[in-house]
Amino acid sequence: EADIYQTPRYLVIGTGKKITLECSQTMGHDKMYWYQQDPGMELHLIHYSYGVNSTEKGDLSSESTVSRIRTEHFPLTLESARPSHTSQYLCASSEDFVTDTQYFGPGTRLTVL
Amino acid sequence: GQSLEQPSEVTAVEGAIVQINCTYQTSGFYGLSWYQQHDGGAPTFLSYNALDGLEETGRFSSFLSRSDSYGYLLLQELQMKDSASYFCAVNNDYKLSFGAGTTVTVRA
Repeated sequence: EADIYQTPRYLVIGTGKKITLECSQTMGHDKMYWYQQDPGMELHLIHYSYGVNSTEKGDLSSESTVSRIRTEHFPLTLESARPSHTSQYLCASSEDFVTDTQYFGPGTRLTVL
Repeated sequence: GQSLEQPSEVTAVEGAIVQINCTYQTSGFYGLSWYQQHDGGAPTFLSYNALDGLEETGRFSSFLSRSDSYGYLLLQELQMKDSASYFCAVNNDYKLSFGAGTTVTVRA
C-alpha cells in the first residue's frame, strides 16, 4: 500500500496570495508528479521529477514552481493565486520506470476567491 | 503530442459486463495503463499492458493491440462499488498522459 500524503486537504484563499501545496511520500520513490484535475475531467500534468534536484515542466506549468530537495518531499508553489487556479491538485509517486505505476495522494482541493 | 479517446460514460446493471475502449495516438509508446477513481477520491492503479494480449486481474481484464493503437478494460460481474471513473493512460517518455475518463454507473 502506498503512503503518500498531501496537505492541506482543503484550502480557500483570496486572489494574489502565494501558496504552497505539500506532498510527501515515505516509499523512497524517485519519481514524483503534480496533476491538476477539475471535477469529472482528465488529469493534466503540471510538473514532475525524476529524483532529487530534478524538476521538469508538464502541460500546465507556467504559473507554478516545484522543488525536489529531498526524495520524500515535492512541494508545489503558486506565486499569485487566481480564480482560474480553483481545482483539485493531485500528487503522485512512482518507483517503476518501465510501467510508471503511479500512487496518488488524497489531493488538495483549492478554491481561489 | 498524445491524444486518447474513450467514451464519456457507460451505464449497466449489477452483474453485467462492461467494456471501456481506448484508442490513442502518440509519438512514442511503452504501454497502456488503467486507473480507477471514485467520486471525490484519488486515482488508483488497475492494470498495465506493454505487449499485445489480455491481462486478467480478478473481475477486471485489460487488452492491448499495439498495431491498432487500441486497448480496452473489461469489467465483469459488475458490482455497485464499481461505479467510478476509469482512465486509460499512455506511458510515453517516462510519464503518463491520461484520457478524459469514462464514468461507469452501475444500477441495481
